[in-house]
Amino acid sequence: EVQLLESGGVLVQPGGSLRLSCAASGFTSSNYAMSWVRQAPGKGLEWVSLISGDGGRTYYANSVKGRFTISRDNSKNMLYMQMNSLRADDTAVYYCARRPSVWEGEDSWGQGTLVTVSS
Amino acid sequence: QSVLTQPPSASGTPGQRVSISCSGSSSNLGSNYVYWYQQLPGTAPKLLIYRNNQRPSGVPDRFSGSKSGTSASLAISGLRSEDEADYYCAAWDDTLSGGVFGGGTKLAVL
Repeated sequence: EVQLLESGGVLVQPGGSLRLSCAASGFTSSNYAMSWVRQAPGKGLEWVSLISGDGGRTYYANSVKGRFTISRDNSKNMLYMQMNSLRADDTAVYYCARRPSVWEGEDSWGQGTLVTVSS
Repeated sequence: QSVLTQPPSASGTPGQRVSISCSGSSSNLGSNYVYWYQQLPGTAPKLLIYRNNQRPSGVPDRFSGSKSGTSASLAISGLRSEDEADYYCAAWDDTLSGGVFGGGTKLAVL
């Protein structure tokens, strides 16, 4: 069974940094691209970032480019998101998700972790 | 403003058939697959339709998807109260080099 478990969401001050983690199990992680998708309170889904199965290609939404960095460690079946220069509008539930390939959609989702940016 | 356009709301009565539209452009729906997700209140999204019209195992055949050009639609037949949820379309966008979602459609079962 595919399982994705996010962690690291906390309350952080504007301008601060945070690293989210996602532990994957039930599949060979290197065979899949992985993504982060967020959802602000009461709002819709927003695609944030994506990394290819081998980690060689990364993609970012314009709203986070230059501030967020996605990475993965396939030996540990882990996905990460380093978030810097956080702003109030980064407040959201962050979902880790699996994609069969870079160009395909998410087929499995974690339960999400809440990041709150506030002073 | 979302790259993919969905109606904010839809409704139907039990047993009815409802359809939710998703409109995009040549750089997303026009050249890539569309995906549909269901999000029940307080839960993570769940894949409903992949590659335009394919259902993952476990998804009832009451749910169907179609795509034509730069538009797509999700149809739900035999509407049930448990179908009350938010529905999102999504696709890869070649110009943005990223994923894009629709704004979501809240389905009410009256």
